[in-house]
Amino acid sequence: GAGVSQSPRYKVAKRGQDVALRCDPISGHVSLFWYQQALGQGPEFLTYFQNEAQLDKSGLPSDRFFAERPEGSVSTLKIQRTQQEDSAVYLCASSFRDRLTGELFFGEGSRLTVL
Amino acid sequence: SQKIEQNSEALNIQEGKTATLTCNYTNYSPAYLQWYRQDPGRGPVFLLLIRENEKEKRKERLKVTFDTTLKQSLFHITASQPADSATYLCALDRNQAGTALIFGKGTTLSVSS
Repeated sequence: GAGVSQSPRYKVAKRGQDVALRCDPISGHVSLFWYQQALGQGPEFLTYFQNEAQLDKSGLPSDRFFAERPEGSVSTLKIQRTQQEDSAVYLCASSFRDRLTGELFFGEGSRLTVL
Repeated sequence: SQKIEQNSEALNIQEGKTATLTCNYTNYSPAYLQWYRQDPGRGPVFLLLIRENEKEKRKERLKVTFDTTLKQSLFHITASQPADSATYLCALDRNQAGTALIFGKGTTLSVSS
């Protein structure tokens, strides 16, 4: 596709459910980032992949959050045993370059609401 | 820890005026700084990148300055239009490792006709 694609766009989960959010980066992009954006706040860094390697996961808020990118393209962010404080928009971004030497291309985000 | 502050949450100006948004940072010396635009319900869109050795950068009606002594970047939109109404985010590389871009909270600009 022409841009970064995320699915689902909207997800409602009951507290305690597991959720999986998918990101299809721009073809050929080496770097992939996940961000969490709460209402009225800027995006907060969660994790970074260079190809299939997860080089930085320092922003993941707890061990309930897990991300993978097994073949260096599509990535999945999984949240286990969801809590109300997990409600946010989860943004995926990709970049052609390795590491941060240029612009990031963001998807439209997946809005998660935990009831 | 590194901190980014954008001067105000909201800025209201009249069409045709110049909008000036401020981004201040502490506890860090980034190699470059980026500005993004975000519309409601959408992901951020890249606007400009300025490096530490560049004092100023322009793109059409946009101008960004970067003062590493003051630890501040200014973002200007000249001849503003209602279509410029959006939230503007500044961002910098957290630790020069190139693995984490951190964002400010954003400034929401409203341009009235």
